[in-house]
Amino acid sequence: QVQLVQSGAEVRNPGASVRLSCKASGYTFVNFYIHWVRQAPGQGPEWMGVISPSEGTIENAEKFQGRVTMTRDMSTSTVYMELSSLTSEDTAVYYCARNYYYMDVWGKGTTVTVS
Amino acid sequence: IVLTQSPGTLSVSPGAGAALSCRASQNIHNTYLNWYQQQPGQAPRLIITGTSTRATGIPDRFSGSGSGTDFTLTISRLEPEDFGVYYCQQYATSPLTFGGGTKVEIK
Repeated sequence: QVQLVQSGAEVRNPGASVRLSCKASGYTFVNFYIHWVRQAPGQGPEWMGVISPSEGTIENAEKFQGRVTMTRDMSTSTVYMELSSLTSEDTAVYYCARNYYYMDVWGKGTTVTVS
Repeated sequence: IVLTQSPGTLSVSPGAGAALSCRASQNIHNTYLNWYQQQPGQAPRLIITGTSTRATGIPDRFSGSGSGTDFTLTISRLEPEDFGVYYCQQYATSPLTFGGGTKVEIK
């Protein structure tokens, strides 16, 4: 079945970086964009950016430009998102989600705690 | 594009209906307005795409409508599993944005 499997929870100190992964299965990886969306405790979803697995092109939210790096590994159907210069405000659940104008398949999320 | 959802919380009895509003700060083509449901501790789930198309497996008690800057998600005959938070989302223009959410709770 179509699924996105995300890496496990992370704890980081302020100022550090974190790299999350999102492994796709059950569909043709290069045919669907992958978004990264985060959700801080008690808040709504916040879009971070989207990557094209086929082209490697990226659209980032301006808020995260300079701090977010998105990459993909076509050999393992995996997308990565690295966030640097972490602060306590980056504590959130980070989701990857498939498609472009809407998000039809979501990973279960990775909890990142900055403390 | 800023999406403003109202009301913030809606208290509804099981079996009743609910109308959730999403207002955009500028016109959005119908194609690019979507709705999600989120239950506690879970990822959002796609409910409606392109203003009015139900996603795969979504029952017909969910319907979407609207145009321009005003969009509505209507849930008829609420079931226990329908309670949760609903978000609208647009990607007519970058950045992709979500509304602040409407919590549908049991009355």
